[in-house]
Amino acid sequence: DTGVSQDPRHKITKRGQNVTFRCDPISEHNRLYWYRQTLGQGPEFLTYFQNEAQLEKSRLLSDRFSAERPKGSFSTLEIQRTEQGDSAMYLCASSREAYLYNEQFFGPGTRLTVL
Amino acid sequence: AQSVTQPDIHITVSEGASLELRCNYSYGATPYLFWYVQSPGQGLQLLLKYFSGDTLVQGIKGFEAEFKRSQSSFNLRKPSVHWSDAAEYFCAVGLGFQKLVFGTGTRLLVSP
Repeated sequence: DTGVSQDPRHKITKRGQNVTFRCDPISEHNRLYWYRQTLGQGPEFLTYFQNEAQLEKSRLLSDRFSAERPKGSFSTLEIQRTEQGDSAMYLCASSREAYLYNEQFFGPGTRLTVL
Repeated sequence: AQSVTQPDIHITVSEGASLELRCNYSYGATPYLFWYVQSPGQGLQLLLKYFSGDTLVQGIKGFEAEFKRSQSSFNLRKPSVHWSDAAEYFCAVGLGFQKLVFGTGTRLLVSP
């Protein structure tokens, strides 16, 4: 069990640029989640995949955000035309599918700074 | 709407003293409740969870939490705090088998 990994760990970009983050879940986990955490706040749910299907998106996920999980393994989160308000920690989590709620394992996050 | 309230932004505890972090939730059905800890540069780590059954749940690192339905609370406790417990603690509600709704967190400072 190597844990959830995220790349890059830090990203600094200028307003208006596009950025892409990658998340590699724990290998046998078919559920994958993205959260955003701003300073002084708890993580907020963005979106959720079961295998390659994106099953839920938060209203926080504006049209500038897109997430994919093309083969049901790793996932990418892209932000187009970044704004200063996008500065945050982006967290990825994964879990096994189960009848009851299952523990989500979190990665270390990608910290985005938009100048 | 479902929500989680952690009323204490910061708490300072002397090393060796007991700790209680408060968490209140608003959710119509029987909640799935969690406590996570986040240290600088680290991901969120699950301390403990409540799904059903015994309302006093034991977790890792000597933490426990008690679910009180009448008070809509799920407070985290530890009888004796260690300096390494200094971190940010988040209470969360699990919704629809999928997403977590987190509180705003409580930062624990441990004084010598």
